[in-house]
Amino acid sequence: GAGVSQSPRYKVAKRGQDVALRCDPISGHVSLFWYQQALGQGPEFLTYFQNEAQLDKSGLPSDRFFAERPEGSVSTLKIQRTQQEDSAVYLCASSQGIDEQFFGPGTRLTVL
Amino acid sequence: DAKTTQPNSMESNEEEPVHLPCNHSTISGTDYIHWYRQLPSQGPEYVIHGLTSNVNNRMASLAIAEDRKSSTLILHRATLRDAAVYYCILRDLGGNSGGYQKVTFGTGTKLQVIP
Repeated sequence: GAGVSQSPRYKVAKRGQDVALRCDPISGHVSLFWYQQALGQGPEFLTYFQNEAQLDKSGLPSDRFFAERPEGSVSTLKIQRTQQEDSAVYLCASSQGIDEQFFGPGTRLTVL
Repeated sequence: DAKTTQPNSMESNEEEPVHLPCNHSTISGTDYIHWYRQLPSQGPEYVIHGLTSNVNNRMASLAIAEDRKSSTLILHRATLRDAAVYYCILRDLGGNSGGYQKVTFGTGTKLQVIP
């Protein structure tokens, strides 16, 4: 069956630009997570949704980062006024509940 | 979150068994031990999880110490496709989770498989 998909797979932005990263979770999965993975590091938690409710955004590094999931399915991670330190792979994962998480391939963001 | 400690890297010969260790001395009674792996240029994928008893599935086996302060992921016959970063993670799936549990990754063990 279809897994978690993310788009775009690669994004190059100039410093100061806004970007939007999309995640299509597995259909019916209630939980959705966003992670940031810097080169050579493990994924770092950013935020969590249960359906459309954002229950935990403790990992968002600054108020330039914003995530939404308005209808409880597709989610968008938006980064405003991108900085070089935002360069990373952004991973989305979904799960049925508290079971194993299914990860997408990630979006590699490069900020020049 | 309870932390885990893993070696940064390990090597294995192809077709040989691989034992990937993980220490989690501050594990709590409701923490499950999960393993994920991340192949190059891919998102992490679930491998196996357990609470107290050893577990087997088609991908691997998980051996959990009696005191639960350590565990070992066992790949019975390493193949080149098993070259990845392996993450050992604790997840509180008991009553303290508040209905969900974020996954906290460390830096994992990078497994190199030698042909």
